Amino acid sequence: AQSVTQLDSQVPVFEEAPVELRCNYSSSVSVYLFWYVQYPNQGLQLLLKYLSGSTLVKGINGFEAEFNKSQTSFHLRKPSVHISDTAEYFCAVSEAAGNKLTFGGGTRVLVKP
Amino acid sequence: GAGVSQSPSNKVTEKGKDVELRCDPISGHTALYWYRQRLGQGLEFLIYFQGNSAPDKSGLPSDRFSAERTGESVSTLTIQRTQQEDSAVYLCASSLEGYSNQPQHFGDGTRLSIL
Repeated sequence: AQSVTQLDSQVPVFEEAPVELRCNYSSSVSVYLFWYVQYPNQGLQLLLKYLSGSTLVKGINGFEAEFNKSQTSFHLRKPSVHISDTAEYFCAVSEAAGNKLTFGGGTRVLVKP
Repeated sequence: GAGVSQSPSNKVTEKGKDVELRCDPISGHTALYWYRQRLGQGLEFLIYFQGNSAPDKSGLPSDRFSAERTGESVSTLTIQRTQQEDSAVYLCASSLEGYSNQPQHFGDGTRLSIL
């Protein structure tokens, strides 16, 4: 069975500062990796995904993530955050031969002016 | 185009009552998923529909939970004899064909509160 761990439940950060959200997964098979963002009272929106190829993937809103197979990690980064990036961020994994997403517990990002 | 639509957006009901939640997926999406999101937690998979195949019900927490889908369109999630621990946001998602490399598109959820 696969599992996803987001090490930080909350990350406060000042506007225009960089942010990194950590995600580690466990799986015995090949996986696809996703980051979703959830704004208050809304559903989840896809930020980016890793399927294959380059381990550095770029997504919307200036976010990027790096897949590290040896460390089973998929950390999300943004070099300079905005107030509008205040939201909850979820890392998710699916087995290549499967059909379900397994989500981490989420990281709440609070951007302060 | 239209996204995934869920109704109602909020539902408050008394313990012991039955509730029915509705999801309209994106047109043309054959795969549909239901998730539960408890306060401050991640998403728990509940059930998955793919075309006319038998649904994957492996995530349903008890026999009080059931879901149906008519063809490749609307789905309803029913919770019978609701309990306070059923209070959560119920999210629906759809994807084009249900392959694991295809992103899921989420609705805004139904916030269910059991008094």
